[in-house]
Amino acid sequence: GQQVMQIPQYQHVQEGEDFTTYCNSSTTLSNIQWYKQRPGGHPVFLIQLVKSGEVKKQKRLTFQFGEAKKNSSLHITATQTTDVGTYFCAGPGSSNTGKLIFGQGTTLQVKP
Amino acid sequence: GAGVSQSPSNKVTEKGKDVELRCDPISGHTALYWYRQSLGQGLEFLIYFQGNSAPDKSGLPSDRFSAERTGGSVSTLTIQRTQQEDSAVYLCASSLMGTGFQPQHFGDGTRLSIL
Repeated sequence: GQQVMQIPQYQHVQEGEDFTTYCNSSTTLSNIQWYKQRPGGHPVFLIQLVKSGEVKKQKRLTFQFGEAKKNSSLHITATQTTDVGTYFCAGPGSSNTGKLIFGQGTTLQVKP
Repeated sequence: GAGVSQSPSNKVTEKGKDVELRCDPISGHTALYWYRQSLGQGLEFLIYFQGNSAPDKSGLPSDRFSAERTGGSVSTLTIQRTQQEDSAVYLCASSLMGTGFQPQHFGDGTRLSIL
């Protein structure tokens, strides 16, 4: 079945360092969404990418969608303690019912 | 309400008992989803509702799990004869439409613990 994989599973950085998480799908995606889940919280939608090769920025966060629409990345520049949490990528299930297939997530810890 | 509301927030029950989890989606959202998240894991899709019908229930782990949605709004997820492996956080999400292009808005979840 369709799979979405994320690496790394965990990342510990010093505050101010950069961070990147990578997402790979076993199938071509119509779009990809990114969510952030703070410790003890629920996933919160960050952004959606639709076009091949698309790049979007939100302040220190840069999101990319691969040319083949099978991979994506999230890069955070100069991490802050407020960036702590688990970042999930998600793509529509192949049945096109609106369900999302989530990656396992990358948990970011930031040391002050 | 402004967001997705789930109840109860926590549920502790004995193995073999039935439990019912409730989700109240954002008003006007036609699509509703249930996911399960085990400790430190990703989100596992359970079931998707469009209106009151469930076109995709492929993620339900066994016939002990069922869900319904009434009035195109509130949904309940029922787990019969609970087992310890059912312990997890059950998350509900809703979106404006079920196209796969809509962001999903999550509730705070129900943390289910089976003793």
